[in-house]
Amino acid sequence: AQTVTQSQPEMSVQEAETVTLSCTYDTSESDYYLFWYKQPPSRQMILVIRQEAYKQQNATENRFSVNFQKAAKSFSLKISDSQLGDAAMYFCAYNNGAGSYQLTFGKGTKLSVIP
Amino acid sequence: EPEVTQTPSHQVTQMGQEVILRCVPISNHLYFYWYRQILGQKVEFLVSFYNNEISEKSEIFDDQFSVERPDGSNFTLKIRSTKLEDSAMYFCASGAGQLSTEAFFGQGTRLTVV
Repeated sequence: AQTVTQSQPEMSVQEAETVTLSCTYDTSESDYYLFWYKQPPSRQMILVIRQEAYKQQNATENRFSVNFQKAAKSFSLKISDSQLGDAAMYFCAYNNGAGSYQLTFGKGTKLSVIP
Repeated sequence: EPEVTQTPSHQVTQMGQEVILRCVPISNHLYFYWYRQILGQKVEFLVSFYNNEISEKSEIFDDQFSVERPDGSNFTLKIRSTKLEDSAMYFCASGAGQLSTEAFFGQGTRLTVV
């Protein structure tokens, strides 16, 4: 079974600084999908960024980028120029793409942004 | 911007009672999901629904659970006889294609079983 591990229960970052959230996963698949979701206090989970495993290029969405290391099964999220609105729980998630619909989530990292 | 809406936001029910959690997915979406998050734990997949039938379910989704899309707009999760351990946040999600594209989540329903 696939597992997703987020080893940092909590992180903090100074406003305008850069922070990296870690995620590792375990799978025997070669093609799969990885996601970072943000859950602010409003509770609604919002997709931040997505990476297809067959793509070597790291995904980027504005201030958010990933460092995808397929061999190491690592998928970290970098937030640049952190803003107060970035404060939230961040969940790393995996989908094996082999006709499966389900996401497997990590336990989450609570990010605080210090003004 | 279209969004997934869930009602109620908080439901308190007595152990043994039936509860129905409601979701209105985004209108042109075809894939529907329920997830739950017990306090302090991971978000866990319960079930996916496509073309009016369950396409995948987890071991959590036992005979006490059922899903339905009764009228083409709502997507419901029923728990037949609630247990204390069913207390959790329940998230509905929908997607236009298979999950590899994107799943849009609702704000969740907090279910408290007393």
